[in-house]
Amino acid sequence: QKEVEQDPGPLSVPEGAIVSLNCTYSNSAFQYFMWYRQYSRKGPELLMYTYSSGNKEDGRFTAQVDKSSKYISLFIRDSQPSDSATYLCAMGGSGSGNTGKLIFGQGTTLQVKP
Amino acid sequence: NAGVMQNPRHLVRRRGQEARLRCSPMKGHSHVYWYRQLPEEGLKFMVYLQKENIIDESGMPKERFSAEFPKEGPSILRIQQVVRGDSAAYFCASSPTGAGNYGYTFGSGTRLTVV
Repeated sequence: QKEVEQDPGPLSVPEGAIVSLNCTYSNSAFQYFMWYRQYSRKGPELLMYTYSSGNKEDGRFTAQVDKSSKYISLFIRDSQPSDSATYLCAMGGSGSGNTGKLIFGQGTTLQVKP
Repeated sequence: NAGVMQNPRHLVRRRGQEARLRCSPMKGHSHVYWYRQLPEEGLKFMVYLQKENIIDESGMPKERFSAEFPKEGPSILRIQQVVRGDSAAYFCASSPTGAGNYGYTFGSGTRLTVV
């Protein structure tokens, strides 16, 4: 079993739709949760960063963390064709011995059709 | 701010040759991470370095791979005697703090092809 599970998709939605992307994880030590966006042939770009459980909103993006269920989500409202990319969830631990290493999900490929 | 610079962008090597990948972190960042991305897979951690020190190399293959981050100059990921299975995108990221849990800044990657 992988530490972080993410459905690779692809996920195809019409422009303007609400997109829901999800990851599950098995390591309860994870405290930091991130979402990265990666366009084809480019490096990952940090979208959202959250600590522990709760919600965080930034423009059209909302990140949710449910540590009790070991489940994180990214919602994209009013999706645009420019949102078409691969979305990677990433997680890190805390406490002694934490070196900042992140564990990434496989990534979900999203296509937003005009 | 030029961001994290990686070069070369593309690298082709024949089996058995050496590959050297370079990474210059963002200005003011002294922590560097290397990740590898195989086709259809997420990023896999390889190594974490600070200036002149390897902090965590738990993701590095035991043989043929090495990394350094000298006092002066870029961080180098070196792969000796490359094999076809080394073909992947290699990404470097930098962070101003050691924890790195505030989100890295990634470079655009080096795509290594072994023929």
